[in-house]
Amino acid sequence: NAGVTQTPKFQVLKTGQSMTLQCAQDMNHEYMSWYRQDPGMGLRLIHYSVGAGITDQGEVPNGYNVSRSTTEDFPLRLLSAAPSQTSVYFCASSRRLAGDYNEQFFGPGTRLTVL
Amino acid sequence: AQSVTQLDSHVSVSEGTPVLLRCNYSSSYSPSLFWYVQHPNKGLQLLLKYTSAATLVKGINGFEAEFKKSETSFHLTKPSAHMSDAAEYFCVVRYSGGYQKVTFGTGTKLQVIP
Repeated sequence: NAGVTQTPKFQVLKTGQSMTLQCAQDMNHEYMSWYRQDPGMGLRLIHYSVGAGITDQGEVPNGYNVSRSTTEDFPLRLLSAAPSQTSVYFCASSRRLAGDYNEQFFGPGTRLTVL
Repeated sequence: AQSVTQLDSHVSVSEGTPVLLRCNYSSSYSPSLFWYVQHPNKGLQLLLKYTSAATLVKGINGFEAEFKKSETSFHLTKPSAHMSDAAEYFCVVRYSGGYQKVTFGTGTKLQVIP
């Protein structure tokens, strides 16, 4: 299993540009989510999905869009990049089972800089 | 509401000495608790998780954590630090019954001095 993969690893954008961060998992996990990591703030949830066709907002959704057309893929779209979106982005997935002890599996991250 | 507080942003220990990384949580319900480790420029890896089966939880690489409900704590310990333990550690609390209610602590950077 490749686990959770993310592309690209690094990206530089200019203010106002749009782009899509790709995330894929091959573990047949129902749950997928996107986080951003900023110094001193831990990880904050942007959007999440509990299955194909179902998405919802997390803590910091503004400026981002998601869709989930397949179980495997969960792309994150930046509509009009702003310097405040400079961050490291992590995708994660987990199983959906009874109880809540299911850990998340994280991708390697995408380091995004917006100039 | 739930929250998690990691009491130290940086911890420095000498190689071979014990490690203690502190985590306190606040939750109205019985929480699920996790510790993750992040090595520089890497993703997050699960160290251990509290599943209510036992209050002392053993994880990978010699780490363990003890769930203390009376103190609302889930501190991470290791008897003897190794250079490879230098990383950032995150305590995570998750609500029972709500996927979106996952809260990360702000992280503790562990430095190991040779």
